[in-house]
Amino acid sequence: KAGVTQTPRYLIKTRGQQVTLSCSPISGHRSVSWYQQTPGQGLQFLFEYFSETQRNKGNFPGRFSGRQFSNSRSEMNVSTLELGDSALYLCASSPGTSGTHNEQFFGPGTRLTVL
Amino acid sequence: GEDVEQSLFLSVREGDSSVINCTYTDSSSTYLYWYKQEPGAGLQLLTYIFSNMDMKQDQRLTVLLNKKDKHLSLRIADTQTGDSAIYFCAESIKGGSYIPTFGRGTSLIVHP
Repeated sequence: KAGVTQTPRYLIKTRGQQVTLSCSPISGHRSVSWYQQTPGQGLQFLFEYFSETQRNKGNFPGRFSGRQFSNSRSEMNVSTLELGDSALYLCASSPGTSGTHNEQFFGPGTRLTVL
Repeated sequence: GEDVEQSLFLSVREGDSSVINCTYTDSSSTYLYWYKQEPGAGLQLLTYIFSNMDMKQDQRLTVLLNKKDKHLSLRIADTQTGDSAIYFCAESIKGGSYIPTFGRGTSLIVHP
């Protein structure tokens, strides 16, 4: 099975712009989670999508949004970029079965730099 | 709430054992994970343990859990230079969302 893929791998934007990141989960996985990784804050959970619906949400401002398509691919959008949004954005997919532990498989991440 | 803490750095010599430590805060029904992140890559799940277990062994990896002290450790036997990476401890709650909460990560540096 192919692993989790994320595009693009690297991105440079300027303050005030908006950006869209994409994640393709492992075939058959219905849950996609997004994380932000920075040296200062570590790994922080953004949100999880399951069957095209946001199922869980972390503590990030409304500038961070996402969506999931019927084929389980997910996109994450950040509007009005700030310097502090520079980070590695990681996507993880899992089967998504509710009520039980699901192993998460991570993609390689998208490195976003905001200038 | 959940909080996971781990030391930031560990340096060992090739061939020695490495022990990476982690403390967590939540209670009874918890899954505890160890992930590995190599430079430029995402996280790879190494192993996980449920909080009603004391130990789990998988080849060179041994996970020990002290429930009383809420302390988790990962021992890597015969550490190799290829083991150099950042190791993350994480916790998720049974019956909750199962979304893991991660520690800051321990950078393991293996010297030849």
